[in-house]
Amino acid sequence: DIQMTQSPSSLSASVGDRVTITCQASQDISNYLNWYQQKPGKAPNLLIYDASNLETGVPSRFSGSGSGTDFTFTISSLQPEDIATYYCQQYDNLFTFGPGTKVDIK
Amino acid sequence: QVQLQESGPGLVKPSQTLSLTCTVSGGSISSGAYYWSWIRQHPGKGLEWIGYIYYSGSTSYNPSLESRVTMSVDTSKNQFSLRLTSVTAADTAVYYCARTTAGLDSQRFDYWGQGTLVTVSS
Repeated sequence: DIQMTQSPSSLSASVGDRVTITCQASQDISNYLNWYQQKPGKAPNLLIYDASNLETGVPSRFSGSGSGTDFTFTISSLQPEDIATYYCQQYDNLFTFGPGTKVDIK
Repeated sequence: QVQLQESGPGLVKPSQTLSLTCTVSGGSISSGAYYWSWIRQHPGKGLEWIGYIYYSGSTSYNPSLESRVTMSVDTSKNQFSLRLTSVTAADTAVYYCARTTAGLDSQRFDYWGQGTLVTVSS
């Protein structure tokens, strides 16, 4: 099984701040990684696929990078509507999600 | 615009079978470009992939649930279904259906249903 970890588990930042979340895989997964945003009471929403590709319709303040075992998700300028939990997900071997990072506004 | 909608009982008794159906609209479930997945989320917890089915009926399941899971597809109704047997309180969760791109080097859950809460309780 491929295990996914994320850090931090939660963070608080001010509007306009740059926010960075890291995701680590227990083994090399190349770029087989996606990022999702989940708002309370809603289904997850795909933001980034294949580690760095922005899904159609997603604001450009969201970005992703990395390959192998270490990945980064960035919000370049945090907006109030970005309050959510963010999950990474690998698809190198079946599908596994990270535990999530909850983002709040300070 | 593709839409997915889960349906099924919201309450299941322990040891019984959980059965859910996902109805797909705005696109054909018979498109060879996609798998059709079930994903669950325990209350206040993270996401767990349960498995997927292809329009042909071929399946892949999470090894941790494989002994209790069966998925089926009805292309005439544009629906796919989940059966989970011998449920316990640990199976209480929000269950989502999702479209999964079926690329060799690119797979992602790009459309999701709204989710349905299933509670296991007597």
